[in-house]
Amino acid sequence: DGGITQSPKYLFRKEGQNVTLSCEQNLNHDAMYWYRQDPGQGLRLIYYSQIVNDFQKGDIAEGYSVSREKKESFPLTVTSAQKNPTAFYLCASSMQGTNNEQFFGPGTRLTVL
Amino acid sequence: KNQVEQSPQSLIILEGKNCTLQCNYTVSPFSNLRWYKQDTGRGPVSLTIMTFSENTKSNGRYTATLDADTKQSSLHITASQLSDSASYICVVSARQAGTALIFGKGTTLSVSS
Repeated sequence: DGGITQSPKYLFRKEGQNVTLSCEQNLNHDAMYWYRQDPGQGLRLIYYSQIVNDFQKGDIAEGYSVSREKKESFPLTVTSAQKNPTAFYLCASSMQGTNNEQFFGPGTRLTVL
Repeated sequence: KNQVEQSPQSLIILEGKNCTLQCNYTVSPFSNLRWYKQDTGRGPVSLTIMTFSENTKSNGRYTATLDADTKQSSLHITASQLSDSASYICVVSARQAGTALIFGKGTTLSVSS
């Protein structure tokens, strides 16, 4: 999976709880992204970061938060405000410039019980 | 509106047969088009990338074509193998500031013996 790791692979959460998904990359990429994938749907962008200490909202940022304190790490927090959090979450990274190829991690499947 | 449409939604073929997946897009201004392969429960992996001036690009048994005039692309798989069973995602990049990737919903290919 191209030097990008996500953990855990499976995550279960009770309603009302916040949960943080980990994403680490050793590709020396400046840009990192979080996507959500639902059955029968295309990938939807949650947040992206083109440089350390900076990030922007994607198409479906409500109920999510991120931080980018280190170049290698881009954790995603799914908050209790996210109404339908059960999904497959994918992290990706690329060289500077969002038109460069994105390399994806193996994903985290989050299930809210 | 920038959109990427893929067809068919799903496809079942016998091992050893060829198949062609379609991608139509309305993304403008166009930068490049990528095909990704996503195995179940895994992150997408890039197969090919094509720019405006490229008509055909191959990667082993995978051959992608691009017609920038009609805004259509196809992915041809030759002599299919069981390991080709996956979702194939067409991703078009727009030449603009900020994140600019538009994802298709994918075609699910099942290769049976």
